[in-house]
Amino acid sequence: AQKITQTQPGMFVQEKEAVTLDCTYDTSDQSYGLFWYKQPSSGEMIFLIYQGSYDEQNATEGRYSLNFQKARKSANLVISASQLGDSAMYFCAMNPESNRLAFGKGNQVVVIP
Amino acid sequence: NAGVTQTPKFQVLKTGQSMTLQCAQDMNHEYMSWYRQDPGMGLRLIHYSVGAGITDQGEVPNGYNVSRSTTEDFPLRLLSAAPSQTSVYFCASRQQGATEAFFGQGTRLTVV
Repeated sequence: AQKITQTQPGMFVQEKEAVTLDCTYDTSDQSYGLFWYKQPSSGEMIFLIYQGSYDEQNATEGRYSLNFQKARKSANLVISASQLGDSAMYFCAMNPESNRLAFGKGNQVVVIP
Repeated sequence: NAGVTQTPKFQVLKTGQSMTLQCAQDMNHEYMSWYRQDPGMGLRLIHYSVGAGITDQGEVPNGYNVSRSTTEDFPLRLLSAAPSQTSVYFCASRQQGATEAFFGQGTRLTVV
């Protein structure tokens, strides 16, 4: 079974600074996808970024980038220039060959002015 | 474009009652899934489906049934509600081969 680990405690980030959220995963599959989702206090799940296991370049989407280190099985999310609206829970997820999307327990981020 | 629609948004049940959480998507996605979200636990997969007529169990299937008679609908049935099933339930759908899963707004269920 796949396992996603997010162990950082809640984080306070100064507005306009960058923040890195750690995610490690465990799988024996050769082909898989890695995702990050944002969940604000309103509760909806918002897709942020995707990285395929065979993608050679790190994924980027605006202020979001995914630092993918395949050998270390890590997929850290970097948010640049934090904004107050970035305050949320962030979930790392993996879609293995079975297509059973699995989530980590999440990281809480609070952006302070 | 409705996307993924879950009903109801809120529900209170008494222990032992049964009910169905509805999930419908209008994007013709093959894959649909149900998750529950509990504090400190992230999202855990209950059941999923890769197409009409095909369902399989996820990580926490006990106490829940699903069926997929059409591509659009994937209802989740609670057979005999228990307080341990108090949670927020999310339905998600995804196109085969696509990278993004689309989520419904969630159903907050309380079992008393």
